Amino acid sequence: ETGVTQTPRHLVMGMTNKKSLKCEQHLGHNAMYWYKQSAKKPLELMFVYSLEERVENNSVPSRFSPECPNSSHLFLHLHTLQPEDSALYLCASSQEAGAGEQYFGPGTRLTVT
Amino acid sequence: AQKVTQAQTEISVVEKEDVTLDCVYETRDTTYYLFWYKQPPSGELVFLIRRNSFDEQNEISGRYSWNFQKSTSSFNFTITASQVVDSAVFFCALRNTNAGKSTFGDGTTLTVKP
Repeated sequence: ETGVTQTPRHLVMGMTNKKSLKCEQHLGHNAMYWYKQSAKKPLELMFVYSLEERVENNSVPSRFSPECPNSSHLFLHLHTLQPEDSALYLCASSQEAGAGEQYFGPGTRLTVT
Repeated sequence: AQKVTQAQTEISVVEKEDVTLDCVYETRDTTYYLFWYKQPPSGELVFLIRRNSFDEQNEISGRYSWNFQKSTSSFNFTITASQVVDSAVFFCALRNTNAGKSTFGDGTTLTVKP
C-alpha cells in the first residue's frame, strides 16, 4: 500500500449506530487530518494531529470522536449522527503540521439515514 | 482570519483552449503557504503545487502554470491546451505555519469538452 488509504469507502448508517472510519498513511508523515466535504460547503477541517497529539479541533460536535494511536493511523469514531452529517470524509497527512503539502486519501462517503 | 476566494464556481471550455482559474486570498500572517489541489471524479484530492509567501516566482509544470502576485493577493492557475482529462474540481488553499490550519476555497469545477 502506498500513500493514504481510507476504509470503508462507502458507509450507510442509521442515527443510532456506532461506526468508525479508518485512515492509514504510508508516507512517514508526522501530521494527520480529518476533513468533511459536503455538497454545499467547502472543505471543512475537523481535526489535526501532530505526532499523535491533537493540535486542532474546529468546534466539531462530540458525536465525532477522533483517535490517533500512532503517527500512521487515524480513526474517526461516529455515534448518534444526524442526516446533515452525510458527507465525504477525507483524511490527509503531511510531513509536519505547520508546513508542507497534504496528501489525501480517497475519502469515505458517509450517508446517515 | 483567513479566507480564500475562488470566484469561478464552474468553467466550461472546449479541448485545446487555455483556461485560468482565479484564486484570491486574505491573511494577516506574513509567512504562509499557498496550494492548488485537483479533485477528479474519483474524489481523492491530488496535490499540484505549493508556494510559500516569500517566493513569488511563477512556475510552469508541463501544461500547468501558476502566477503568484503578492501585491494583489492572488495565486492563479492556468492550464494551457486543456484536455478532457483535466476535468475536475480545483481547490486553492492557504495555510499558515501554526498547527497546520488550512483554509480551502470553495473550488472551481472545470469541464473540458471534446
